[in-house]
Amino acid sequence: EPEVTQTPSHQVTQMGQEVILRCVPISNHLYFYWYRQILGQKVEFLVSFYNNEISEKSEIFDDQFSVERPDGSNFTLKIRSTKLEDSAMYFCASGEGPFYQETQYFGPGTRLLVL
Amino acid sequence: AQTVTQSQPEMSVQEAETVTLSCTYDTSESNYYLFWYKQPPSRQMILVIRQEAYKQQNATENRFSVNFQKAAKSFSLKISDSQLGDTAMYFCAFMKATGNQFYFGTGTSLTVIP
Repeated sequence: EPEVTQTPSHQVTQMGQEVILRCVPISNHLYFYWYRQILGQKVEFLVSFYNNEISEKSEIFDDQFSVERPDGSNFTLKIRSTKLEDSAMYFCASGEGPFYQETQYFGPGTRLLVL
Repeated sequence: AQTVTQSQPEMSVQEAETVTLSCTYDTSESNYYLFWYKQPPSRQMILVIRQEAYKQQNATENRFSVNFQKAAKSFSLKISDSQLGDTAMYFCAFMKATGNQFYFGTGTSLTVIP
């Protein structure tokens, strides 16, 4: 069964550094999402992406975050200048369509630690 | 704003027994959808079951069923005949009918004991 994959599984970075988290969605999916989960807290929506543009974003997704689909297979989340509070598990998800009937398939996550 | 609350951080159940995981939510939306996702250790979250708020009938998927009480804003998950493979973190989630982002609870860690 096709799966969403994410790389790396773990990343450690210094505060102020840029990080890029990578996701490979399921190949026929058109809708892409990033979520994050700070340790011990809820999984929170960051952004949704369709047709090469952001369709929805949360308050968390400020100017230090950006997303792109550079080559038709990868979907990336860039954090420009990491802060300590960006330490979290980041989940990518993809779906065939935008509606609740279209199941969102999640990747295994990237655990980001900012020192 | 939408909030989802899972009041049981950890639960355990004997293999073959039945367990119920609780979830409550708060919303002013009239139409929405509710989900339970399962995340096995070191694995992806996968959809277990979903419920349309406009449907009165509770959703069922094999050994998994929900008790949806719209007036009480409650959406519990019942797992019957628990199996070792059911050991996982279970997340309750809410989605507005007009959007496609999830609002998740904090999760319940379920351990099935052999």
